Amino acid sequence: QVRLVQSGAEVRKPGASVKVSCKTSGYSFISYTIHWVRQAPGQSLEWMGWINAGNGNTKYSQNLQDRVTIARDTSASTAYMELSSLRSEDTAVYYCARDWCSSRCDLFDYWGQGTLVTVSS
Amino acid sequence: DIQMTQSPSSLSASVGDRVTITCRASQSIGKYLNWYQQKSGTAPNFLIYSVSSLESGVPSRFSGSGSGTDFTLTISSLQPEDFATYYCQQNYNAPLTFGGGTKVEIK
Repeated sequence: QVRLVQSGAEVRKPGASVKVSCKTSGYSFISYTIHWVRQAPGQSLEWMGWINAGNGNTKYSQNLQDRVTIARDTSASTAYMELSSLRSEDTAVYYCARDWCSSRCDLFDYWGQGTLVTVSS
Repeated sequence: DIQMTQSPSSLSASVGDRVTITCRASQSIGKYLNWYQQKSGTAPNFLIYSVSSLESGVPSRFSGSGSGTDFTLTISSLQPEDFATYYCQQNYNAPLTFGGGTKVEIK
């Protein structure tokens, strides 16, 4: 079965960076796009960007594009999201999610369990 | 960016009730509208794509309708496992955006 398993919770100080991993299994990793979505406490969902796991192409939300980097390791079937220059407003649960279509249609069928990132001095 | 506005933000209903949630887009998005269910402390669950197509395994009591800017999610007979927060999402263009959510609570 398709599974996306994320790395554990992180605590960072303002100005630091954090890298979250998303290890996939149960399907052909390079055939699907992986998205990253975050959810601040009590808030809605915010799309951050995607990576085409096959060719490595990426697209980021303009709000975050100066601070976010999404990468992948095809040998490990794993995607990564790194966010730099952290602020308190970046405190959120970060999710990876697989695109529903192998050709990318920008909706999400399988999700990781979420990784809580807390930014606090 | 396309803004997605859901109403109501919360509602109270009883088991067996018919529930309708509305989602409005700030511009026409055709049929590029999807719905997710999120239970407390868990990742969202994919329910409906392209306005009205149910993802595999989703009960038939869920249905969606609409086009352009106005969309609805209907639960025909609310079940105990349906108490959750529901989000609409547009995939018409980037940035992909979600509605603010509708929390369905037990009356």
